[in-house]
Amino acid sequence: DAGVIQSPRHEVTEMGQEVTLRCKPISGHNSLFWYRQTMMRGLELLIYFNNNVPIDDSGMPEDRFSAKMPNASFSTLKIQPSEPRDSAVYFCASSGTGAGGGTQHFGDGTRLSIL
Amino acid sequence: SQQGEEDPQALSIQEGENATMNCSYKTSINNLQWYRQNSGRGLVHLILIRSNEREKHSGRLRVTLDTSKKSSSLLITASRAADTASYFCATVLPEGKLIFGQGTELSVKP
Repeated sequence: DAGVIQSPRHEVTEMGQEVTLRCKPISGHNSLFWYRQTMMRGLELLIYFNNNVPIDDSGMPEDRFSAKMPNASFSTLKIQPSEPRDSAVYFCASSGTGAGGGTQHFGDGTRLSIL
Repeated sequence: SQQGEEDPQALSIQEGENATMNCSYKTSINNLQWYRQNSGRGLVHLILIRSNEREKHSGRLRVTLDTSKKSSSLLITASRAADTASYFCATVLPEGKLIFGQGTELSVKP
């Protein structure tokens, strides 16, 4: 079975540009999570969805960040405008048992560099 | 802020030795999970231990949980070079969020 699929794997763009990260969760999973990983702050939960509805976006750093889940098989994380401090690896994860403590399956991440 | 803190931050051992990693946390949890991350890859779930369990085994992995001390440990026995990775504990808060520790970087030398 296919795991969580993220695209692109790498993105290099200039400051001020819009960045869109994409995620396809595992089929049948009803919870989706976006994380950001940096050396300084480790792995941070940005937002999570349950049945396509955003449940907790308290980790989204600023209004420049937005996330959508238009259907059960697709989610996007958008940064507009991007800044150098947004450089990080962004992970998407999905879970089949809701956010109540089920195990999460991670994609291989998008390595984002903002110049 | 990070819920979990892990130690050591880095651990280097020889193949065949055991590796022990520790995780401490601050608040009540539903369960605690351990994940592994190979360089350049996403995290992979290893094992889950519920708040009412004290010890759990899975192959060469042994996890303990002490809720009175708010701590957990992951033991990898008879380590192999392929176990080289970063290991993270994740505490599951009552509202369902996973909070990850900073991780332990394990290096197993052949």
